[in-house]
Formats: sequence, C-alpha cells, structure tokens
Amino acid sequence: KNQVEQSPQSLIILEGKNCTLQCNYTVSPFSNLRWYKQDTGRGPVSLTIMTFSENTKSNGRYTATLDADTKQSSLHITASQLSDSASYICVVSAKYGDTGTASKLTFGTGTRLQVTL
Amino acid sequence: ETGVTQSPTHLIKTRGQQVTLRCSSQSGHNTVSWYQQALGQGPQFIFQYYREEENGRGNFPPRFSGLQFPNYSSELNVNALELDDSALYLCASSLHTDTQYFGPGTRLTVL
Repeated sequence: KNQVEQSPQSLIILEGKNCTLQCNYTVSPFSNLRWYKQDTGRGPVSLTIMTFSENTKSNGRYTATLDADTKQSSLHITASQLSDSASYICVVSAKYGDTGTASKLTFGTGTRLQVTL
Repeated sequence: ETGVTQSPTHLIKTRGQQVTLRCSSQSGHNTVSWYQQALGQGPQFIFQYYREEENGRGNFPPRFSGLQFPNYSSELNVNALELDDSALYLCASSLHTDTQYFGPGTRLTVL
C-alpha cells in the first residue's frame, strides 16, 4: 500500500529560526515528490518538485532534499517568517496504467508549522 | 493565484441529499483531479479526468461521480450524502502528469 508519513505532526518555532520537516514514503513506482504549502481553508500551493535523479531543490528560503534509496525527503525552511505558518504537505506521485501515462498522488497528513514572535 | 476556480465556496446540505461541485481548470490544462480533505488530514484522491475520460479512481464509493467537459472544466457529484462527507473538496488541474495546481476548495457541511 502506498503511504506517505510526515514528522513532526506539528511544530512551533520563533521567527527567524530554521526548521526541517521530514517525509518518508513507500510509493511505487516512484515518479516524483512534491512539497506543498497549505494555508488553513485554502488549496495547497506547490513549493518544489523533485524527480528520482534530483537530490536537492531550492525555492527561495525553502530547500527540499530527496534520498530515493532510503525513500526519504526533507523540507528545510531558513530564517522563518510569520507568513510561513501553514501546513506543509509531502506528496508522492506514482505512475500507473498500461502505458504509465496516468499518475496517482499520495498525500501525507502534513506538518502544521506555527511561527511566533 | 493558480488560475483554478471552484464553486461554490461553501455549501450546507442534509443527509440523503445530492450535491454538485464545480471546477474551472487553468488555461491549457487537460487534466482535473478531485480530492477530499477532512479536517486535520491530508487530501484523499477521489478521481482524475483526462480529456473527458476518467483516468484513475481512489477508494471512494460509486455515489461519488464526476464529469469533465470539452473545455476541461469539471464537476464532482455526490449522491445520498452522509455526515462523513463533510470536508473540503479540492480540485487540481494539470497538463496531464505535470504539477497539479489546486483551487481554493469547496467547504461542504452535511447536517
């Protein structure tokens, strides 16, 4: 069964501090891994996307890493801001179907990040 | 803004009723996926439509059905509503298997 597990479930940090969120997955056949940011009551917004051959990808203060061998990913947030308060969801895509043209996303339950003064 | 819109924003129904949710995809996208997100949980995949045909389905009963129109907009229909159907319903559009862009969601409450 395809699963995506994230840790910690929730996190509180002071503004300006760094933090790292973890994602472990058992999804096969692996296609890509995305990190999304979701504000409360809103749709998720893509932060990064990584394929099998990519180890790291940055988007401003967000840096994602991927270890395809251990099936682990992390999202590092540098110099946190109050606006970073949100849920961060790890999403792993698997290709399926006779021609491998269909994709199915498996979502983690997210890490709820709160940045405080 | 992702260019994906959903309507209505909020909806209140009673058990046993039927509901239709709508999604307009981003220009140029031919694939729409629907997700159900319960409070405090990650989104759960309902189904995906590619060029007007269902292209995959999650573990949802047949009373969850959908359509995709020639302009690639989409509808999600839920019959015989149950209390557990209360959730945020998200649609996401993409160019086939590329990155999915999510709409703001429809909050459905079943009483």
